[in-house]
Amino acid sequence: GDSVTQTEGLVTLTEGLPVMLNCTYQTIYSNPFLFWYVQHLNESPRLLLKSFTDNKRTEHQGFHATLHKSSSSFHLQKSSAQLSDSALYYCALSGNNYAQGLTFGLGTRVSVFP
Amino acid sequence: AQTIHQWPVAEIKAVGSPLSLGCTIKGKSSPNLYWYWQATGGTLQQLFYSITVGQVESVVQLNLSASRPKDDQFILSTEKLLLSHSGFYLCAWSLEGGQNTLYFGAGTRLSVL
Repeated sequence: GDSVTQTEGLVTLTEGLPVMLNCTYQTIYSNPFLFWYVQHLNESPRLLLKSFTDNKRTEHQGFHATLHKSSSSFHLQKSSAQLSDSALYYCALSGNNYAQGLTFGLGTRVSVFP
Repeated sequence: AQTIHQWPVAEIKAVGSPLSLGCTIKGKSSPNLYWYWQATGGTLQQLFYSITVGQVESVVQLNLSASRPKDDQFILSTEKLLLSHSGFYLCAWSLEGGQNTLYFGAGTRLSVL
């Protein structure tokens, strides 16, 4: 079945530094959709950005990610982290059985310190 | 605009007691509906999904059941709660089709004591 791997459980960094969250996936579907969701404390997850186009950079709210089908990756990056970026970030995949919904990774908690 | 409403916002229940959580979507006809569970600080575990009234597919049951009695309503329930049921329950909807962006409700926080 489909799977998503996020290698970092926790990322801590100082405000103003760049951040990159890793995401790789497995699916037999040749045209998957990849998503990044963000969940702030005591809130529900909300969509940050998504893509299905190979090698095209997608940007939103200062974050960007590029889907690379050759390496099955969809890493999330931001050039300068802000305190408000502290949250839980989930990478998710819509693969072959799209009616079933998204397959989520385990999530990466980001803590940004002043 | 589509709105998704979950009820109750929070529950404190005793082990062995019954539970019913609800979710209503307005402004969208025949959405796909989903229940997810999140343990404190944990990942999002999909429980059930439904693509039409009266039909529910189980992904992971966890001694829970789900029903879709109306096009815009999704219910999660159990007759006997376990301590392990504690967590954050999220209802979500999406459009049909491969793009499948999920839109989550505000969630229900459940504490089983």
